[in-house]
Parts: sequence; C-alpha cells; structure tokens
Amino acid sequence: EVQLLESGGGLVQPGGSLRLSCAASGFTFSSYAMIWVRQAPGKGLEWVSGTSGNGDYRYYADSVKGRFTISRDKSKNTLYLQMNSLRAEDTAVYFCAKGDTGWPYYADYWGQGTLVTVSS
Amino acid sequence: EIVLTQFPGTLSLSPGERATLSCRASQSVSSSYLAWYQQKPGQAPRLLIYGASSRATGIPDRFTGSGSGTDFTLTISRLEPEDFAVYYCQQYGSSPPYTFGQGTKLEIK
Repeated sequence: EVQLLESGGGLVQPGGSLRLSCAASGFTFSSYAMIWVRQAPGKGLEWVSGTSGNGDYRYYADSVKGRFTISRDKSKNTLYLQMNSLRAEDTAVYFCAKGDTGWPYYADYWGQGTLVTVSS
Repeated sequence: EIVLTQFPGTLSLSPGERATLSCRASQSVSSSYLAWYQQKPGQAPRLLIYGASSRATGIPDRFTGSGSGTDFTLTISRLEPEDFAVYYCQQYGSSPPYTFGQGTKLEIK
C-alpha cells in the first residue's frame, strides 16, 4: 500500500525557513517522480515543484523559484522541500504526491498534507 | 504557462442527475495530457482521470473524461451522494509547472 507522510510544517516568521519532509513507502521510491502541491486556506490547488524519479530533473512554479528547493534521498525513501525567504502568501497546506511515472506529470497518490503558516 | 479555466464555478444538482464539468486551456494541451481530481473537505485530492479519458484505478465508470486540444469535460453520469465535492483539472502537456484549474464546486441542490 502506497503511503506518503508529510512532516515539518508549522508557524514561521516572514523571511524565515522551513524544511518539509515526505516519508514514502509501499513503492519503489527511485522509480517514480514526486511532486509538491500546495493549497492556501479556502483556495485551489497550486503545483509547487516536481522532481523526476532519478532526481536529475527538478522544476518549480515561478512563485517559488529561487526560494524553494526540492530534493530526494533514495536511501531514506524521503522527499524534501527546503523553503527559504518565506512570505505570507506561502501560507498553505503542502501536499506531497507520487507521480504515476518517472516524470512529474500527474499524481496518483497523495499524502494528507502539512500546514505551513507564515506570520509574525 | 498554460492557464486552465474551469466552469461553472459552482454546479448545483441533485443525486441521480448528470453533471458536466468543463475545463478550457489557454493553448492546446499536447497529447491530451489532462487529469481530473476530486477533493472533499479536509482531504487530499484523489486522481479520477488521466490522459483526458483514462480512469484511474478504482474509479467508478460513472466518471467519464473527454476532450482534446483546448476543451475538456468531466461527466458524472448519475450523481451519488459521495460525488459532491470540488473537482480540479490539471494539464501536463508541456514543460513544468503543470498548472491546475481553479476548481468547480459540485454541491447538492
């Protein structure tokens, strides 16, 4: 059974940093793309970042480019999102999701999300 | 970046009725690389359709995806009480980022 468990969310001040983690199990982690999607309170879904199965390719939404970094550790079956220079508009539930292939096209399994609140 | 516009914003129907949700792209979505998701309050999204018309594992056949180019449709043939939720389309036909539509809320009339 595929399981994705996010952690690392919380309250952070504007300009601060946070690292999200997503522990994956139930599938061969290095064979599948992984994706971060966020949802601001009461809003729709926003694709944030994705990485290929082998980790060689990483992509970002324009809204986070240069501030967020996606990475993966195949020895720990864990996906990360390092978030720097956080802004109020980054406040959202962040979902970790598994791609259906080695490329971050669409997500066939999702975690339950972790809430990030950026506020002073 | 491809912009997806979903309409209507809210659809009010009764159980047993047919629902038609639309998703329009600002430019052609190559290879019909479009997915649909369902999200219920407090839950993560669930994949319904990929490749514009292929149902994901375990999705009932009352859910049908169709369309190509810039116009796509999700049809729910006979609404069940558990189908009332928010639905999102997502394109993945070009280079990332793979954008989502703003969502259609399907509510009970």
